[in-house]
Amino acid sequence: GAGVSQSPSNKVTEKGKDVELRCDPISGHTALYWYRQRLGQGLEFLIYFQGNSAPDKSGLPSDRFSAERTGESVSTLTIQRTQQEDSAVYLCASSPDLTDTQYFGPGTRLTVL
Amino acid sequence: QQQVKQSPQSLIVQKGGISIINCAYENTAFDYFPWYQQFPGKGPALLIAIRPDVSEKKEGRFTISFNKSAKQFSLHIMDSQPGDSATYFCAASKPSGSRLTFGEGTQLTVNP
Repeated sequence: GAGVSQSPSNKVTEKGKDVELRCDPISGHTALYWYRQRLGQGLEFLIYFQGNSAPDKSGLPSDRFSAERTGESVSTLTIQRTQQEDSAVYLCASSPDLTDTQYFGPGTRLTVL
Repeated sequence: QQQVKQSPQSLIVQKGGISIINCAYENTAFDYFPWYQQFPGKGPALLIAIRPDVSEKKEGRFTISFNKSAKQFSLHIMDSQPGDSATYFCAASKPSGSRLTFGEGTQLTVNP
């Protein structure tokens, strides 16, 4: 079946602009995660949605970052007033209910000039 | 605070050799320890995972060894192949559905 998809695959923006990144999880997966991967580094947790529960936003690095999820489907990560240090690959993952395996999408490479 | 430390940062192995990557964790609440494989331009893919109730898990050429008292776990790749050349990440999470805390990654190169 279809895996996690993310769009766009690449985004180049100017400092100070807002960007929206989209994630389509695997159908039926109730949990959805956003991670950030800086060049040559491991993945940093950003935010986690599980069903109808309040999202775990504890990994968001600043109030410029926000995310929404519509039911158990699409999620959007928004970065306002982008800064050069926001340049990274943003990865989305989804997971079936009550399991640990997270399935990752290909990521969106964000470059802030 | 770095909760999962991974070493080495890079590793070069000859075809047919054994690749060993090590991780250490701090948080005793972690109860799930996966390894992910990532190829350039792709998202990480789950390779193998273990829970603390066993000391070893083997799937094909890949084995996880787990030492709960030392809070360490390692990935062994037997008969390493050039196609195994990728970046490997260890990770850890608390009970079901929690975020993954990743190590910094090991870039493995298997020479033909």
